[in-house]
Amino acid sequence: NAGVMQNPRHLVRRRGQEARLRCSPMKGHSHVYWYRQLPEEGLKFMVYLQKENIIDESGMPKERFSAEFPKEGPSILRIQQVVRGDSAAYFCASSPSRNTEAFFGQGTRLTVV
Amino acid sequence: GENVEQHPSTLSVQEGDSAVIKCTYSDSASNYFPWYKQELGKGSQLIIDIRSNVGEKKDQRIAVTLNKTAKHFSLHITETQPEDSAVYFCAASIVEDNNNDMRFGAGTRLTVKP
Repeated sequence: NAGVMQNPRHLVRRRGQEARLRCSPMKGHSHVYWYRQLPEEGLKFMVYLQKENIIDESGMPKERFSAEFPKEGPSILRIQQVVRGDSAAYFCASSPSRNTEAFFGQGTRLTVV
Repeated sequence: GENVEQHPSTLSVQEGDSAVIKCTYSDSASNYFPWYKQELGKGSQLIIDIRSNVGEKKDQRIAVTLNKTAKHFSLHITETQPEDSAVYFCAASIVEDNNNDMRFGAGTRLTVKP
């Protein structure tokens, strides 16, 4: 059973471009969490999704950021019109249900130039 | 690359007792070690962190110790309470300018019995 897979591992975007980060949860997991880690800071919760539903997006910026977790395929974190301040490591975690622990992926490092 | 191992995977203690969770890391260049608490149905929250220039850090009932020589660090919770029940994750990373690659342990499920 492969762990949580995130791709790409590293992503470079110019200011104004779009960034798409993918997270494939562990087999059997239908819950996904996204986190952002800014340089020299801890993880900050962004959004919690269940298949086809956003459960909690209280940590996600209101503009330019969106997340989805379709019935088929990975969860996608999308950042439109990226700015330098979006440069960070983005982690996702998955769990089989709401009341069990989540397992983390290795993260995607986004660099905006 | 960095490899982080965390033990035990489950831990059950009586209310009021202490709990200790241990992690080891492989990359001697790692210099930042955070601990996260994940309560059921919620996202994780940072509870304490330590950098490699100190050996111990304490915040009320929570403390973290770091042994750079042995490459291991531990989370200590004293006077445990039922609300401490959660899954705890350790992590290790290298903080160098904007290059920050974090690796997580597998997690420890702590149960505090009243």
